[in-house]
Amino acid sequence: SQQGEEDPQALSIQEGENATMNCSYKTSINNLQWYRQNSGRGLVHLILIRSNEREKHSGRLRVTLDTSKKSSSLLITASRAADTASYFCATDGMGRDDKIIFGKGTRLHILP
Amino acid sequence: GAGVSQSPSNKVTEKGKDVELRCDPISGHTALYWYRQSLGQGLEFLIYFQGNSAPDKSGLPSDRFSAERTGGSVSTLTIQRTQQEDSAVYLCASSLERTSGRKTDTQYFGPGTRLTVL
Repeated sequence: SQQGEEDPQALSIQEGENATMNCSYKTSINNLQWYRQNSGRGLVHLILIRSNEREKHSGRLRVTLDTSKKSSSLLITASRAADTASYFCATDGMGRDDKIIFGKGTRLHILP
Repeated sequence: GAGVSQSPSNKVTEKGKDVELRCDPISGHTALYWYRQSLGQGLEFLIYFQGNSAPDKSGLPSDRFSAERTGGSVSTLTIQRTQQEDSAVYLCASSLERTSGRKTDTQYFGPGTRLTVL
């Protein structure tokens, strides 16, 4: 089964509101990343948070990591129409050759 | 080039034919990854290269799928005797390196190849 599971699967909010997406995973990780995908094509890296970090900010993005609960959240503040996309979390295990596993994503739609 | 490139961007083929998908990673990136994404789904890991070697091929769905990487750069994903269930977007990503104890795991993705098997 998937290592990373995002929820909700889909989210629609008004422009200007904050959007929160969550990611849960099963095994110990080295780091967790969030990616954005527009129009079903290439992904763009947003932010990486390491297992010894609890919170990280990048512009309007805020990511938290709770390793005890094996969960992470991505908060987008003051949402814009351009934020409409799918957002994926990706976890990287502790082993040298562990594969990076992506969840199924949250589809975010910003309403004008 | 500045980013990861993939070719072709779209490929339509008939069931039973072989296809080759190409990925040009960012220059200097030693790690290269192939993923498959079906419509509305997450990314399914296929294979990972460190240099020219593939320490993890566990994601390849069947022996019809193979990949190689030469010169530590360009990679080719080959699907033999394509089936309709192979239809998906195939994404390639590269990262600077991936070494034990210190992982630089930001992956830079190409635009993908949309494969349609009729």
